[in-house]
Amino acid sequence: EIVLTQSPATLSLSPGERATLSCRASQSVSSYLAWYQQKPGQAPRLLIYDASTRATGTPARFSGSGSGTDFTLTINSLEPEDFAVYYCQQRSNWPPFTFGPGTKVDVK
Amino acid sequence: EVQLLESGGGLVQPGGSLRLSCAASAFTFSSYAMTWVRQAPGKGLEWVSAVSGTGGSTYYADSVKGRFSISRDNSKNTLYLQMNSLRAEDTAVYYCAKCLGGLGWAYFDYWGQGTLVTVSS
Repeated sequence: EIVLTQSPATLSLSPGERATLSCRASQSVSSYLAWYQQKPGQAPRLLIYDASTRATGTPARFSGSGSGTDFTLTINSLEPEDFAVYYCQQRSNWPPFTFGPGTKVDVK
Repeated sequence: EVQLLESGGGLVQPGGSLRLSCAASAFTFSSYAMTWVRQAPGKGLEWVSAVSGTGGSTYYADSVKGRFSISRDNSKNTLYLQMNSLRAEDTAVYYCAKCLGGLGWAYFDYWGQGTLVTVSS
């Protein structure tokens, strides 16, 4: 089973700042990695898939990069609605499809 | 607009059973793999099970294998999760989600609102 780790666990930033979130896989997942955003009381929302492809409706301030075992989600100039929990998920070696533990982006 | 509406959650005693349903609309249901993902209170996301578009291929997390069964009725645009021998650790919000394509394209682009399953005596 591929284990995903995310860092940091919590990221405290102010609106307008850049957020850099990391996801590391226990073995290569090629580019088969997605990022989701989840706000309290809501279902997750797909932001990025195949490491760098923005899903329909994802704002351009969200970008993904990486391949193999190391991936990054960057949010340029945080908007108030971006404060949420972010999860990575792999589809390279399944089952299972695994998620990372999440990174919470909160207001500094 | 794609919609996924779960139902069937509730309070059940340990060892009991529950069947969740997920009614889908506004897309060609049979063309897409579907999945269940759960989230225990205050915890992260855990993939539970997935089924191919035809229903012919099913997959499970080790934590539910042998106890849960996923199925779909493409004539009714509905996904199911039969949960047997429930344990306290199965307590979670259960989400159904649509895959971007087949199971080889298992990113989850639409999610339901979730249904809460509580296993407690």
